[in-house]
Amino acid sequence: DSGVTQTPKHLITATGQRVTLRCSPRSGDLSVYWYQQSLDQGLQFLIQYYNGEERAKGNILERFSAQQFPDLHSELNLSSLELGDSALYFCASSPHDRSDSPLHFGNGTRLTVT
Amino acid sequence: AQKVTQAQTEISVVEKEDVTLDCVYETRDTTYYLFWYKQPPSGELVFLIRRNSFDEQNEISGRYSWNFQKSTSSFNFTITASQVVDSAVYFCALSEGGGSYIPTFGRGTSLIVHP
Repeated sequence: DSGVTQTPKHLITATGQRVTLRCSPRSGDLSVYWYQQSLDQGLQFLIQYYNGEERAKGNILERFSAQQFPDLHSELNLSSLELGDSALYFCASSPHDRSDSPLHFGNGTRLTVT
Repeated sequence: AQKVTQAQTEISVVEKEDVTLDCVYETRDTTYYLFWYKQPPSGELVFLIRRNSFDEQNEISGRYSWNFQKSTSSFNFTITASQVVDSAVYFCALSEGGGSYIPTFGRGTSLIVHP
């Protein structure tokens, strides 16, 4: 058990809808990362927060947004969903925002858009 | 820009065989970190090992060993006497010390170990 909690585990929704994915990092970790895993794109970095502030942005669509709250949990909001957004969304955490920190991943949220 | 290539998409072996998973990386930084993660069928990615660019010593942990060679920009992972429980997708990742600290992942290698 990595100590990173993601909810929900599965999400099935229709095109055009909006969903929120939730992540609680490991105790003591200040940094939260969001990744999208799909069959054709592999593991793609979306966005990273450190102690409540956005620190790095990857291939995140404008329809997607995220935030990290004072208690350090994070939410990823996906709106105007399309079929192509179906994927496994991972949250990971680390103590710092440094390159030597390994990431500790949650179990992921499997999103299916129908 | 950093890049990680795992050319082997899928490897299939029979239990007790040794297997090597290849990882080739590209970076312009002199300081960088390499990682291996395991994603079992249950889905969660599990951190296995980290290597920094200044430490080329090979590492062994039980049946697992890692061979880091800067001359060929490779960080290969060998499982000795494979077991069915080793069946998983294995990812190699790179983060740069001076550039982007966000890890870039390879596409992963799916290892299937048959009994």
